[in-house]
Amino acid sequence: DVKVTQSSRYLVKRTGEKVFLECVQDMDHENMFWYRQDPGLGLRLIYFSYDVKMKEKGDIPEGYSVSREKKERFSLILESASTNQTSMYLCASRRDRGVNEKLFFGSGTQLSVL
Amino acid sequence: QKEVEQNSGPLSVPEGAIASLNCTYSDRGSQSFFWYRQYSGKSPELIMFIYSNGDKEDGRFTAQLNKASQYVSLLIRDSQPSDSATYLCAVASGGSYIPTFGRGTSLIVHP
Repeated sequence: DVKVTQSSRYLVKRTGEKVFLECVQDMDHENMFWYRQDPGLGLRLIYFSYDVKMKEKGDIPEGYSVSREKKERFSLILESASTNQTSMYLCASRRDRGVNEKLFFGSGTQLSVL
Repeated sequence: QKEVEQNSGPLSVPEGAIASLNCTYSDRGSQSFFWYRQYSGKSPELIMFIYSNGDKEDGRFTAQLNKASQYVSLLIRDSQPSDSATYLCAVASGGSYIPTFGRGTSLIVHP
């Protein structure tokens, strides 16, 4: 089975801190994604990556950046955390682009910014 | 902006009944349609995928797609309390096939 591992289940940070969320997948997937999930708003795409060192903005990239130096690892960076970035962050991967390619999700990181 | 609309619910059905979950989408170029199930406190997992008009059945689950009406639905037959979860509809277009998610419908199956 594909495993997508997010480094922290719960994280509490202060406003203005730089925050790193790490995600690792073990199935040699090409594509990786970062979503945030908020009550009533569903999953919203922050950034995604088709391959190593590639990154594309999603629907809500403001305040975030990403890094993909190795194929298996996709990091989400909050340059200066703000309270409105308190959310559940979900990392996902998929084998490649394609009509029937599904996403595999990590277990999520609940981030609280105080 | 591509939009995927779902009724947030909760949809409450008795055990053994058919649960019907609906989803509409705005992008006529959409080609892939997914249903993910998300239990409370857990991450989403894929339960159904469909890309051609008509019905696709997998056990108690049936996905229905009508591209002309831009409508996709999920039927759950013989609903069980273990089906209680939030069901997320996701739609992807050709090229990148980046899925856009709806806000999800909460399903409650009561004994």
